[in-house]
Amino acid sequence: GAVVSQHPSRVICKSGTSVKIECRSLDFQATTMFWYRQFPKQSLMLMATSNEGSKATYEQGVEKDKFLINHASLTLSTLTVTSAHPEDSSFYICSARDQVRREETQYFGPGTRLLVL
Amino acid sequence: QKEVEQNSGPLSVPEGAIASLNCTYSDRGSQSFFWYRQYSGKSPELIMSIYSNGDKEDGRFTAQLNKASQYVSLLIRDSQPSDSATYLCAVIGGYSTLTFGKGTMLLVSP
Repeated sequence: GAVVSQHPSRVICKSGTSVKIECRSLDFQATTMFWYRQFPKQSLMLMATSNEGSKATYEQGVEKDKFLINHASLTLSTLTVTSAHPEDSSFYICSARDQVRREETQYFGPGTRLLVL
Repeated sequence: QKEVEQNSGPLSVPEGAIASLNCTYSDRGSQSFFWYRQYSGKSPELIMSIYSNGDKEDGRFTAQLNKASQYVSLLIRDSQPSDSATYLCAVIGGYSTLTFGKGTMLLVSP
């Protein structure tokens, strides 16, 4: 149980384009999902908390107009990187909490590696 | 600024030895503590969670928590080369957000 998937696993795009990343909880409901970013040899940095049916909560320094988050259902959150630039190249990882079991444990998706040329 | 501190390593141990990974945290109000393992190029996978002072054992892994000292550790018994990875300590503080340490790289040599 507690499986989280992400799609795509890897994406290469041109500078200025937008990229959408999907995060799904496959066998549990998640009213709250989290989006992290990890640069090489760095730790995971929380970007935003995605809340089902309401606006996401962004961490300080993260541009909400650049990183659009939509959490339209209990099993799906999407992160759209708009007008991507090479400095946005990173490993993007989502996580989710099992709402029914009321656990604080976060289960991570496999991550999406973004390369902006 | 809530911080989680870990020695970056690498920590090198021979196969079969006990690996000891340590973590300190700054938020005294933290209540939930986690150890994740992250292989290179992969996302973190949960090893253990611990919420109360003392030890918690799961197979070859033992997590230890001392809230008075704001210290949490992970012991890996009978270390295997497949245990070679970066181990991330993570703490949930007052706002229910997970704060990660930078991780300790463990290298288990055959």
